Amino acid sequence: GAGVSQSPSNKVTEKGKDVELRCDPISGHTALYWYRQRLGQGLEFLIYFQGNSAPDKSGLPSDRFSAERTGESVSTLTIQRTQQEDSAVYLCASLRRAAADTQYFGPGTRLTVL
Amino acid sequence: EDKVVQSPLSLVVHEGDTVTLNCSYEVTNFRSLLWYKQEKKAPTFLFMLTSSGIEKKSGRLSSILDKKELFSILNITATQTGDSAIYLCAVPNAGGTSYGKLTFGQGTILTVHP
Repeated sequence: GAGVSQSPSNKVTEKGKDVELRCDPISGHTALYWYRQRLGQGLEFLIYFQGNSAPDKSGLPSDRFSAERTGESVSTLTIQRTQQEDSAVYLCASLRRAAADTQYFGPGTRLTVL
Repeated sequence: EDKVVQSPLSLVVHEGDTVTLNCSYEVTNFRSLLWYKQEKKAPTFLFMLTSSGIEKKSGRLSSILDKKELFSILNITATQTGDSAIYLCAVPNAGGTSYGKLTFGQGTILTVHP
């Protein structure tokens, strides 16, 4: 596609429910990153995929968070048993190849946990 | 651990003013520094800087890197209300399992009044 896309754009859920956030990277981009931005704060790294493997998961805040990627395509970030502190904008970015630096961001998913 | 610090955290100016945003960094293996503009959710790419002393310019925006003193500045001349946004500085991890992962500064919130 022309750019990184994410869905849904907004998600409101109740505490304790599971949510799935989707990211479609730019076609041909091998590297994919998930970040989180809580209100009034900077972007925090969550997880990095190279192809469908995840060399760095160090930013996932707890075992309620998981992510997977199919080949060099779609990635899904799953949050189980959501908590109010999970409320944030979740951003996905992709890179054409690991040696490039300019990450292109998707529009983000705003998650609100009531 | 890589570290990026931006200043000021917020700035309020009037249309026509010139602003200078600062970014200092400490990274293990420096390769580049990136500037992004964030208006709603998704950061949009502005500049990538790799060489010291070479100014990158795009319209009223310009940026320069000082690799000796470990900082970069982003200048905006003749500011307009449409420049109101959060400006983010980031450095990518240059090696190991976290290749490409961006470490962001806190951002500078710029507000331009008519």
